[in-house]
Amino acid sequence: SAVISQKPSRDICQRGTSLTIQCQVDSQVTMMFWYRQQPGQSLTLIATANQGSEATYESGFVIDKFPISRPNLTFSTLTVSNMSPEDSSIYLCSVGLWGAKNIQYFGAGTRLSVL
Amino acid sequence: AQKVTQAQTEISVVEKEDVTLDCVYETRDTTYYLFWYKQPPSGELVFLIRRNSFDEQNEISGRYSWNFQKSTSSFNFTITASQVVDSAVYFCALSEWRMDSNYQLIWGAGTKLIIKP
Repeated sequence: SAVISQKPSRDICQRGTSLTIQCQVDSQVTMMFWYRQQPGQSLTLIATANQGSEATYESGFVIDKFPISRPNLTFSTLTVSNMSPEDSSIYLCSVGLWGAKNIQYFGAGTRLSVL
Repeated sequence: AQKVTQAQTEISVVEKEDVTLDCVYETRDTTYYLFWYKQPPSGELVFLIRRNSFDEQNEISGRYSWNFQKSTSSFNFTITASQVVDSAVYFCALSEWRMDSNYQLIWGAGTKLIIKP
């Protein structure tokens, strides 16, 4: 497996502001993903973070709202832009390892509350 | 389309009872993988098991066991002699291969398991 550090672990933000969430892995990984999990719900994939190129977004998620960076094989960021209370959720980073690509390992998540 | 159904929204049992969590899936792929993850109250998802579609052998890991039946498209998870620490939300997932050669996981809705002391 891998050790995945996600920061911040939680935050309370004001409407209209932006928050950048960081995901750091202790080893090089092939795949990095960002999910949203609303309270009591399942996981919804926001995008796949591609190293050195633009992220691949899922239907309903756009780059202007959720810009993603992945400058190398161990790090990615997700920004939640121009936040509204509807963005209050848990945001999760996950990774796929070389040789076991379709097993995803998760960070502890970021609990975001927007006032 | 690929789909994972966890019909049990919440299960509550008394400690030491056995409990089975159901997972039914739909796929047109001949090769696929199934997964179980645990999400305790702390929130971090913990990988429990991956099973590929060619291996229908049941698996046991301590108090945990998994029953994969392709004939019924099910991948059920049993906890024997449950403990309070087993209280969590459990997710079943199915891998989906995409046109861009990447994959994604299709997630079930999750089953909240409550173990009462």
